[in-house]
Amino acid sequence: KAGVTQTPRYLIKTRGQQVTLSCSPISGHRSVSWYQQTPGQGLQFLFEYFSETQRNKGNFPGRFSGRQFSNSRSEMNVSTLELGDSALYLCASSLALAGGSVTDTQYFGPGTRLTVL
Amino acid sequence: KQEVTQIPAALSVPEGENLVLNCSFTDSAIYNLQWFRQDPGKGLTSLLLIQSSQREQTSGRLNASLDKSSGRSTLYIAASQPGDSATYLCAVPSDFAGNMLTFGGGTRLMVKP
Repeated sequence: KAGVTQTPRYLIKTRGQQVTLSCSPISGHRSVSWYQQTPGQGLQFLFEYFSETQRNKGNFPGRFSGRQFSNSRSEMNVSTLELGDSALYLCASSLALAGGSVTDTQYFGPGTRLTVL
Repeated sequence: KQEVTQIPAALSVPEGENLVLNCSFTDSAIYNLQWFRQDPGKGLTSLLLIQSSQREQTSGRLNASLDKSSGRSTLYIAASQPGDSATYLCAVPSDFAGNMLTFGGGTRLMVKP
């Protein structure tokens, strides 16, 4: 079974631009979560989508948004990019039968490395 | 607000040594705790998930224990190998669905041949 895939793997943008990142979960997985990883702040939760609905949201500004499609694939968008948005963006998927449970393992993709110049 | 801490931040050991990585959390009302491995520039690989009702989990040379009352978990790696060199992260969920994880800062492990 294929793992979580993320595209693109690397991205270079300039300040003020916007960017869209894509995540395809493991087949059959219904929940997709997004995380930002930086050297200074570590891994921080951005948001989680389940059945095309945002279920949880981390403490990030409104410039960060996302959506999930009916096939569970997810995209996240960052508008008006700032230098501080340079990071590794990771998505994770989990089975989430019946909405999810504490026994669910999250499986992470390889990440998208975003550099903002 | 849950806070997760990992000590030490970095560790260098000779090959073959048994070692323990530590993870502590401030709110003991956790649903589970998960250990991950991250290779440089890569995503995370799940190693072990311990449910709150469990005391430990084992997978090969890895053993993770959980003590909710003291807010601690340890990851024990037996007979370390150079291929174990990576950053190890622990995480706890903030929701019952388990999909909103709070991570520790990680322990960067180097195993020298």
